[in-house]
Amino acid sequence: DVKVTQSSRYLVKRTGEKVFLECVQDMDHENMFWYRQDPGLGLRLIYFSYDVKMKEKGDIPEGYSVSREKKERFSLILESASTNQTSMYLCASSPGLAGGISYNEQFFGPGTRLTVL
Amino acid sequence: ELKVEQNPLFLSMQEGKNYTIYCNYSTTSDRLYWYRQDPGKSLESLFVLLSNGAVKQEGRLMASLDTKARLSTLHITAAVHDLSATYFCAVDKDFYGGATNKLIFGTGTLLAVQP
Repeated sequence: DVKVTQSSRYLVKRTGEKVFLECVQDMDHENMFWYRQDPGLGLRLIYFSYDVKMKEKGDIPEGYSVSREKKERFSLILESASTNQTSMYLCASSPGLAGGISYNEQFFGPGTRLTVL
Repeated sequence: ELKVEQNPLFLSMQEGKNYTIYCNYSTTSDRLYWYRQDPGKSLESLFVLLSNGAVKQEGRLMASLDTKARLSTLHITAAVHDLSATYFCAVDKDFYGGATNKLIFGTGTLLAVQP
């Protein structure tokens, strides 16, 4: 089974702090994603990565950056946390289309509920 | 712009009843995914539908795909309380246009099954 883990289930930070959210997958997936989920707004893509050191902005990248130094690990960084970044953050991975895989099923981690005070 | 719309957004149903959740999308895609999310939890993959006419069933849930109508349905048979959750559909974005690897998610349908 694919396993996607996130470093924290719950996190409380202060405004202005630098925040790191870590995500690790154990299935050698090419693609990794960071979403945030807010009531009434559904899932919104922040960033995704399709290879080591490669990244692409999603729909709401402002205030965030990412790092993918190793294939299995994808980090989301809040450079200076603000209260409007209080949210549920979900990491996901998918195999990618190399190797004959013909679909993009994504597998999600347990989520990190971040509160910024 | 690719849109994925689900209806209803909220569904309250009684145990033992049948109902259908609809997922309409605006792109030419023959790959559609259904996910389940329990309150406070993450998303769990339910079904992957990979062609026109595809049908998948798991317990009381059955999903189907009509790519010509750009419609997928999630049918619930004889609902039980344990099915209470939010259900999302998702579509590959521009799969044949370069395979961006991204999914576009619907807004979700909150299902509440009452005893």
